[in-house]
Amino acid sequence: DAGVIQSPRHEVTEMGQEVTLRCKPISGHDYLFWYRQTMMRGLELLIYFNNNVPIDDSGMPEDRFSAKMPNASFSTLKIQPSEPRDSAVYFCASSSGGRNQPQHFGDGTRLSIL
Amino acid sequence: SQQGEEDPQALSIQEGENATMNCSYKTSINNLQWYRQNSGRGLVHLILIRSNEREKHSGRLRVTLDTSKKSSSLLITASRAADTASYFCATDNTDKLIFGTGTRLQVFP
Repeated sequence: DAGVIQSPRHEVTEMGQEVTLRCKPISGHDYLFWYRQTMMRGLELLIYFNNNVPIDDSGMPEDRFSAKMPNASFSTLKIQPSEPRDSAVYFCASSSGGRNQPQHFGDGTRLSIL
Repeated sequence: SQQGEEDPQALSIQEGENATMNCSYKTSINNLQWYRQNSGRGLVHLILIRSNEREKHSGRLRVTLDTSKKSSSLLITASRAADTASYFCATDNTDKLIFGTGTRLQVFP
């Protein structure tokens, strides 16, 4: 079975550029989560969707961040404009059901903003 | 703020030894989960323990939960070099998971 697929695996871009991260969840999963991981702040939940609808975006740091889930098999996280402090590893995870269910993580996108 | 705090932050042991990691959390929970993260990879779910359970086993893993103390422990028995990774506890908050700070485990051959 294919797991959660994220692309790109690595992204290096200059400050001010738009960055788009992509995620394909596991087929049949109805929850999708976006996380950011840094040494300083650990693993932070940015936003999550249920049945393609954003449920909680309280972790999105600023208006520069936006996320969409146009269908059950695809989600994007966009940063515009990007800043050096956005450098981190961004993970997407999906689950079947919400509470009391394990989450399945992709291998992340390592983002470096110069 | 993060819900869970793992202790110790780092742990180094020899192959064959047992490794124990602890997690403390702040609010009431429905369940607590443990995840492993190998370097450069995503998190992998290990085990879930519900609030009405006190202990759970899965292979070489043993998890305990004490809701009165708001704490959990993960024991890995007969550790192997392949167990080298970071381990995170996560507690549920509605449909969200709040992850702890993690324990970095190094197992030397």
